[in-house]
Amino acid sequence: ETGVTQTPRHLVMGMTNKKSLKCEQHLGHNAMYWYKQSAKKPLELMFVYSLEERVENNSVPSRFSPECPNSSHLFLHLHTLQPEDSALYLCASSHSPPRGLRNQPQHFGDGTRLSIL
Amino acid sequence: AQKITQTQPGMFVQEKEAVTLDCTYDTSDPSYGLFWYKQPSSGEMIFLIYQGSYDQQNATEGRYSLNFQKARKSANLVISASQLGDSAMYFCAMRLMTISGGSNYKLTFGKGTLLTVNP
Repeated sequence: ETGVTQTPRHLVMGMTNKKSLKCEQHLGHNAMYWYKQSAKKPLELMFVYSLEERVENNSVPSRFSPECPNSSHLFLHLHTLQPEDSALYLCASSHSPPRGLRNQPQHFGDGTRLSIL
Repeated sequence: AQKITQTQPGMFVQEKEAVTLDCTYDTSDPSYGLFWYKQPSSGEMIFLIYQGSYDQQNATEGRYSLNFQKARKSANLVISASQLGDSAMYFCAMRLMTISGGSNYKLTFGKGTLLTVNP
């Protein structure tokens, strides 16, 4: 059983809908991440939260809005998405801050496969 | 900016044989970590192995080993005694280890290699 749980696993929505993706981690980590994985492209980091504060935002359109209410939960709120936003959205967590040369891998969930009609 | 290159879109290997998946990286930062992940068709990214830029020995983890050649900036993954369950996408990734700034958090991924293990 994965230590990072994402719901829903699959989501189909129209461009005018509003939905949210949820991520929960049970690993005692305090950094959480959202990644986007599109076909034939490398994973793209979208947002990073450390100790519930956003520490990185990689020029993501405002139609994606993250929320981190506590160190165990991370949400991605979606509204007025475009067809090119169809992708696998992966959540990850790790210890924070990841300083020094210690091995601090990010642990990923199973992802939410999002399709925009 | 850092970059990861995986030149093999797909690889085939016979069950019980060894296979090497290539990864080269580009960074001017002297402190970094290299990671390999496995992604089965189910979607989950599974951490396999880690190599630090200052590690003197190549990392090993069960059937996985990392052939780290720092001067060539390569970090190839070797899977020994391949099993049918090894069929998946494999991603090489790098994280800078600088003390300050958001770069500590960012994992830069390659495009991946699809490994197929034949019975």
